[in-house]
Amino acid sequence: NAGVTQTPKFQVLKTGQSMTLQCAQDMNHNSMYWYRQDPGMGLRLIYYSASEGTTDKGEVPNGYNVSRLNKREFSLRLESAAPSQTSVYFCASSEAPRAGGAEAFFGQGTRLTVV
Amino acid sequence: AQSVAQPEDQVNVAEGNPLTVKCTYSVSGNPYLFWYVQYPNRGLQFLLKYITGDNLVKGSYGFEAEFNKSQTSFHLKKPSALVSDSALYFCAVSPLNSGYSTLTFGKGTMLLVSP
Repeated sequence: NAGVTQTPKFQVLKTGQSMTLQCAQDMNHNSMYWYRQDPGMGLRLIYYSASEGTTDKGEVPNGYNVSRLNKREFSLRLESAAPSQTSVYFCASSEAPRAGGAEAFFGQGTRLTVV
Repeated sequence: AQSVAQPEDQVNVAEGNPLTVKCTYSVSGNPYLFWYVQYPNRGLQFLLKYITGDNLVKGSYGFEAEFNKSQTSFHLKKPSALVSDSALYFCAVSPLNSGYSTLTFGKGTMLLVSP
């Protein structure tokens, strides 16, 4: 059982280049998320998809777009990369019980450097 | 808006001694509270959560956390630390009425357990 799989694991981009981070989960979860982790700042929510067919902005959405391709896959796109987007990106997924409070399962992360 | 504070950047403890990692939160109403652990170059792993009920929550690897509503705290504890517990620990909060895990994280506390 792979859980949440992210590709690539590492990436170096030049300023202005674009790229898509891929994420897939095999736990049949309804909800998926993209976070970024920066030193001393914890993780911050970029975008999330509460269920297939829906996406919503999180705390730091500027400069990013997302696509919920199907129930399994949720991609994050940087259209024109900037040095401020240098970060470690984590994809996560969770169940969506009516009562809430579902724990999230995280991928191993993508370390992105924009030069 | 909800927020989480982890007042200590680092906690040092000797192996075999009890450990506490502090967390306080600010949220409207009653929250869902979580602790996650991150080992080097890995994604986050779920440790435990508080939804409702007993204020003392037991989780993975012998960790537990105490919910204190009057002090708005959710401190992580373990009676006897292991060197292998050395990692980065995150406290997080999720909105009560959310059926998904749009988590707000603290900045993280590095736990170092010395032999």
